[in-house]
Amino acid sequence: GESVGLHLPTLSVQEGDNSIINCAYSNSASDYFIWYKQESGKGPQFIIDIRSNMDKRQGQRVTVLLNKTVKHLSLQIAATQPGDSAVYFCADLTGFQKLVFGTGTRLLVSP
Amino acid sequence: DGGITQSPKYLFRKEGQNVTLSCEQNLNHDAMYWYRQDPGQGLRLIYYSQIVNDFQKGDIAEGYSVSREKKESFPLTVTSAQKNPTAFYLCASSLAEGYEQYFGPGTRLTVT
Repeated sequence: GESVGLHLPTLSVQEGDNSIINCAYSNSASDYFIWYKQESGKGPQFIIDIRSNMDKRQGQRVTVLLNKTVKHLSLQIAATQPGDSAVYFCADLTGFQKLVFGTGTRLLVSP
Repeated sequence: DGGITQSPKYLFRKEGQNVTLSCEQNLNHDAMYWYRQDPGQGLRLIYYSQIVNDFQKGDIAEGYSVSREKKESFPLTVTSAQKNPTAFYLCASSLAEGYEQYFGPGTRLTVT
């Protein structure tokens, strides 16, 4: 079946480094993706989204890249801070009303 | 403040009891959703509602029930038929189909 998955379960970086979290999807008809951040014991928080008519979208310290050829998207966080430590999900708005979530990548930022 | 609220944050119940989780939003969103999250797994959709007085089953609806009598409210009942109810439950809402979903803070349910 269709799925969205994460390449790495845990990513450890030093404070100030750039972080890159990857995500693969399998539904070639997918046209809307969202990255969420989830801190321990809390609900997911919207970070940034991208539609299939774009290859790149930038926010504050975050950039999402979409490669439709290989069905891959990535979240880049610039100058990673300890407050960025969390689990990051990519989600694919596929089908009617439903987001398909990956299992998540845990980002650990050490000082 | 605008947003989605869920209560309570922690809930404990004995096996065999039904329990209702609250979800309220003041974002004027038409669509609302319930997800379940287990350790090491992604979110799984339980039920969703596009509009008042209408709702549909998600991927794991067995053992759960919902109602949508008001636009602002979408309570979830975990019944005794749910075989493994202990989990973190998340409510979300969106303006409509195809729009980003905003999540509440979650309710952690423990059934013993």
